[in-house]
Amino acid sequence: KAGVTQTPRYLIKTRGQQVTLSCSPISGHRSVSWYQQTPGQGLQFLFEYFSETQRNKGNFPGRFSGRQFSNSRSEMNVSTLELGDSALYLCASSRAGGVVDTQYFGPGTRLTVL
Amino acid sequence: AQTVTQSQPEMSVQEAETVTLSCTYDTSENNYYLFWYKQPPSRQMILVIRQEAYKQQNATENRFSVNFQKAAKSFSLKISDSQLGDTAMYFCAFMNSGGTSYGKLTFGQGTILTVHP
Repeated sequence: KAGVTQTPRYLIKTRGQQVTLSCSPISGHRSVSWYQQTPGQGLQFLFEYFSETQRNKGNFPGRFSGRQFSNSRSEMNVSTLELGDSALYLCASSRAGGVVDTQYFGPGTRLTVL
Repeated sequence: AQTVTQSQPEMSVQEAETVTLSCTYDTSENNYYLFWYKQPPSRQMILVIRQEAYKQQNATENRFSVNFQKAAKSFSLKISDSQLGDTAMYFCAFMNSGGTSYGKLTFGQGTILTVHP
């Protein structure tokens, strides 16, 4: 079974631009969670989607948004990029997002904002 | 809000020896799950072991075991017979069993473990 895939793996943008990151979950998984990883703040939860609905959201500004498609693939979008948005963005998939479901992580997208 | 604390930023161990990584957490919930994830230099986050709070028996997974002390809110990871491939950042994580916690893992700051030959 293929693992979680994320595209692109690396991205360089400039301040003020917007960016879209993609995550394809493991086949059969319907929940996708997104995390931001930075040296200063560590790993922080962005949001979770299940069956095209956002069920949970972390404490991030509205510039961070996401969506999920009917095939469970998910995208996250960051508008008006700031230098502080430079981070490794990880997505994780699980069967249903519940506590009994193990989250499997993708390799991440490294975003650099110049 | 739940918090997870890993007090050891860095640890090192000789190959074949045993090392214990510490984790404490704070929650008012009674039903939750705890996890240890490993992130090697490749950045791929891998689940090492998980523990259900309602289970008194400590989880084990081959060379990895935990010491779960619910009253003390402590969840340490013991790695036996350390191998060079165990070199990684280790994260302790927490998830509530409540519906408002869908898909949300709360992570500690991580412990960098280096295994020396």
